[in-house]
Amino acid sequence: NAGVTQTPKFRVLKTGQSMTLLCAQDMNHEYMYWYRQDPGMGLRLIHYSVGEGTTAKGEVPDGYNVSRLKKQNFLLGLESAAPSQTSVYFCASRDGDLTYEQYFGPGTRLTVT
Amino acid sequence: TQLLEQSPQFLSIQEGENLTVYCNSSSVFSSLQWYRQEPGEGPVLLVTVVTGGEVKKLKRLTFQFGDARKDSSLHITAAQPGDTGLYLCAGARASGTYKYIFGTGTRLKVLA
Repeated sequence: NAGVTQTPKFRVLKTGQSMTLLCAQDMNHEYMYWYRQDPGMGLRLIHYSVGEGTTAKGEVPDGYNVSRLKKQNFLLGLESAAPSQTSVYFCASRDGDLTYEQYFGPGTRLTVT
Repeated sequence: TQLLEQSPQFLSIQEGENLTVYCNSSSVFSSLQWYRQEPGEGPVLLVTVVTGGEVKKLKRLTFQFGDARKDSSLHITAAQPGDTGLYLCAGARASGTYKYIFGTGTRLKVLA
């Protein structure tokens, strides 16, 4: 039981390049989330999903796209990376509407030059 | 717009001291959580409070949800170096909501 895993752990991109961050959970959780964490800002929600095949926008969705084709996976895509997207990205999952706890992955540190 | 403000932002104290961290908002939350995050890792849930005025204890940590469900506090008694980390509060705006708003964080360092 690995919990929530994220791939890759680190990545450096040049402006304009694209990439996909992968989040996987083995807890059969319904809800999954992508956050970004910047100094002094706490965590900000980018996109989330309440079930396989569904996605919704969070607080800061611009420049990102997501997909949830399988229940256990939630992908975050950057089509044309910008320096403002330099951040640490965290994925989280949650069992369902009656539980509150979010389980977080270890994070992906992304630098865009 | 940051709906949850935490104070202080930084706190450096000696082992054995007590401290309180605050999480404030002008909005009402149906539930509020506290997380601790260590460097290079994701946040880990400490507690969830759901009722106005609720107090929960976790060993030396005491959490309180304000009566009006707009604010919360975390009190640590006799802090230890193992308490060092980033403390985050997170609130859910409405019952059954899927989304959480995170506070700005309080970075605590406990010196031995």
